Order: sequence, then structure tokens, then C-alpha cells
Amino acid sequence: ETGVTQTPRHLVMGMTNKKSLKCEQHLGHNAMYWYKQSAKKPLELMFVYNFKEQTENNSVPSRFSPECPNSSHLFLHLHTLQPEDSALYLCASSQAGAMNTEAFFGQGTRLTVV
Amino acid sequence: AQKITQTQPGMFVQEKEAVTLDCTYDTSDPSYGLFWYKQPSSGEMIFLIYQGSYDQQNATEGRYSLNFQKARKSANLVISASQLGDSAMYFCAMREDNTNAGKSTFGDGTTLTVKP
Repeated sequence: ETGVTQTPRHLVMGMTNKKSLKCEQHLGHNAMYWYKQSAKKPLELMFVYNFKEQTENNSVPSRFSPECPNSSHLFLHLHTLQPEDSALYLCASSQAGAMNTEAFFGQGTRLTVV
Repeated sequence: AQKITQTQPGMFVQEKEAVTLDCTYDTSDPSYGLFWYKQPSSGEMIFLIYQGSYDQQNATEGRYSLNFQKARKSANLVISASQLGDSAMYFCAMREDNTNAGKSTFGDGTTLTVKP
């Protein structure tokens, strides 16, 4: 248990569905991140939130919509996804400004788009 | 230019032997931190070890040690006495002092397989 909880762990959705991924941390961290990890590919940073404000969007398609209602919760809303969006989605949190502290990751949501 | 380079896509090691996983990095920031993470097949990223750019000594954590060569910009992970449970993907990552919200940049990873 790392202190970062992601739900659901597995998700299968059709291309016309709308679903949301949830991430929760109670570590007191002020920064949260979404990463995408496709099979045999490196981690891709998608979004960065610092004190609930989005500070980075790495050219992510609009079919992915993040939401950060408070410093402890982060959502990724999904709609009209494509099969190539199938991947492991990892949420992480860290203490921004404390460079010597590691990021804590959730166990990920394994998403399959059919 | 890639900030973190891991040149070994896959590595094999015999159980109980030591193995070195390579990592080189690129930054102009004098203050940065280097991290290694382990990702088993379950998917979770597990923090292993940290090295700060100003640390004088190489970091060690149990069977993990970091061979930090600042002038060469390398931060290789050494795993001693390999165990079957060490089979996983390993990522090198860097946090620079001036980056947005402390985000980490990751390498492409090295898949380690420990043979019995």
C-alpha cells in the first residue's frame, strides 16, 4: 500500500462510452500526476496538477479530461476513446518543492477500449 | 534530447549474482534528484533508491546501491544477490529543481529477468 489508491483496477469500455478513473491520496502531497503506459512503451506524462491547478497538459487529446477538485483527489474522465488508448493509466503524487522525495504511485487502471 | 537514457531494454542475471542497470541523464540544472523505481507485472511503481546531485556518497538501500558518477552524468543501479522476485521492469527517473510541480522524467526502462 503506497498511500495512493486508484479505482477501478481494470476497465473495459466501448468507444462510445463515458467513464472516469479516480485517484486518491492522503499523504498530504500538493502535486498529482496522470501517466499513460502503453505496452512496450515508456511512461508518458499526461497532466500535472499543483495545488489543484493544472500546470501541464502534454498535448493530450481532448477525449481525456482531467479534474482535480482538491489536493487529495484526481479524476480522468474518458469519452469516445480509441482502441489505441488501451493502456495502463498511473496516478502519482509528490510534494512539489521537495526535490529529494519520491513520487508515490497508485497500482494503476488497466484500460481496454473495444 | 532525451533527458534520461536507459540503453538496456532487457537484462538477464543468474540468481544470487549482482547486476548493474545503466542510466545516464542530461540536465543543466545544478540541483536535481535521481530515482530508481521497480515495476513488477502487477503494474505498481515501487520506489527503490534516491540520489541527490549534491550527495557526496553513493546511495545504498539494502541490496540496492546507486553508482553515481556526476561528471559522466550516470546513475547506475546495482542489485546485489539477485532474487527471483527481482524480475521486473526498472525505471530511472530525474527531478530537476526548476521543473513544474516536481514532476519526474522517466527513462524507457530495463526489463530484468532473474534466472534460477
